[in-house]
Order: sequence, then C-alpha cells, then structure tokens
Amino acid sequence: KAGVTQTPRYLIKTRGQQVTLSCSPISGHRSVSWYQQTPGQGLQFLFEYFSETQRNKGNFPGRFSGRQFSNSRSEMNVSTLELGDSALYLCASSLRSTSGRSYEQYFGPGTRLTVT
Amino acid sequence: KNEVEQSPQNLTAQEGEFITINCSYSVGISALHWLQQHPGGGIVSLFMLSSGKKKHGRLIATINIQEKHSSLHITASHPRDSAVYICAVRFDRDDKIIFGKGTRLHILP
Repeated sequence: KAGVTQTPRYLIKTRGQQVTLSCSPISGHRSVSWYQQTPGQGLQFLFEYFSETQRNKGNFPGRFSGRQFSNSRSEMNVSTLELGDSALYLCASSLRSTSGRSYEQYFGPGTRLTVT
Repeated sequence: KNEVEQSPQNLTAQEGEFITINCSYSVGISALHWLQQHPGGGIVSLFMLSSGKKKHGRLIATINIQEKHSSLHITASHPRDSAVYICAVRFDRDDKIIFGKGTRLHILP
C-alpha cells in the first residue's frame, strides 16, 4: 500500500506570495491532518479534515486555510507569506471514524517551505 | 489549558542501556501518540494509547490515565534508536492535538 505523499517536497517563495501544498492520503483513509514544524515552536497542529469537512483547527491566523476533496486528497494554502511561515509542513492520514475515535496517524515526508 | 510536558529534553546513553522518556499532560485526553523523527524530518508513529500498555519489539509504551502520564521505554538500546521522540496528545474537551517539545536521544556505540 502506498504511503502518504506530499507535493512539492521543497519550495522557495517570496514574502507576500501565496502557496498551495498538496497531500494524498493512504488509500482508504478519510482523515487528513496538517502540521507545521519549526525549530522554535516544534510541531503545531494546523487543521484536520474528515470527509471533506474541517473537523478541527489549530491556533493559526486566517492566512492558513485548507480543503479536502471527495477522493480524500487535501490541500493547504498560505496567503500573504511571512518570513515566519518558513517551516516543514507535514500531513498525516488516518482512519479516524465519524464518531471521533482516534486511529494511528501515518505521516508524509513533508514539504519544506522557505520564505525569503 | 491544554499542556504537554516531555522529559528529558536531551538524553545520551550507551548502547544496551534501558531508556525511559516521559510525557505528562494537563487535562483529560482521548488518545496519546508516541512519534519518532529521524534527522531529515520523516515522522513515524510508534504507538497510539488510550489506556494500559503496548509493546512492539524493544519498545514499550505505558499510560496512566489517573496520573495523566505516559512513558516510552526502549530496552537494549541501539545506535539506530538515535532520534527525536515526540509525545502528542488529543485533548477530550476541544479535540485539539498538542505536541510535546520532543526528546533528543543519542545512543553511543
């Protein structure tokens, strides 16, 4: 079974631009979560999608948004990039149920975003 | 407030030693995850716990719900266990996931 894939793997953008990152979950997984990892703040939860609906959102500004498609693939978008948005962005997929029960998460390799 | 505390921050040990990494959290949870991250960024989920104890090879994870505490143990540690170990908790009251700061483990041959 193929693992979680993320594209692109590396990205360099300029302040003020916007960026879209993509995540394809493991086949059969309907839940996708996004995380930001920086040396200063560590790992932080961005948002979680299940069956095309945002189930939960972390404490990030509105510049960070996401969506999930009917095939469970997910994208996240960051508008008006700031230098502090430079980070490793990870997505993870799981079998999380409609009742909210948690299942093991499988992480993708991440997209390393550099904002200059 | 949702908080997760992990200790120690850094740990260096000799090959073969028994390793313990601790994670404490502030309020009720629905699940606790132990993750491993090697240099280069890839994260692997080691365990997901909501109660009791789980074992996989040389790795053992335990959780005490009453004490709001979990431990990750590595028996007969090996240099290939060198990595950052991260505790992640999904809190009951708001379903948010909070991560510990991680424990950087270095096993010397």
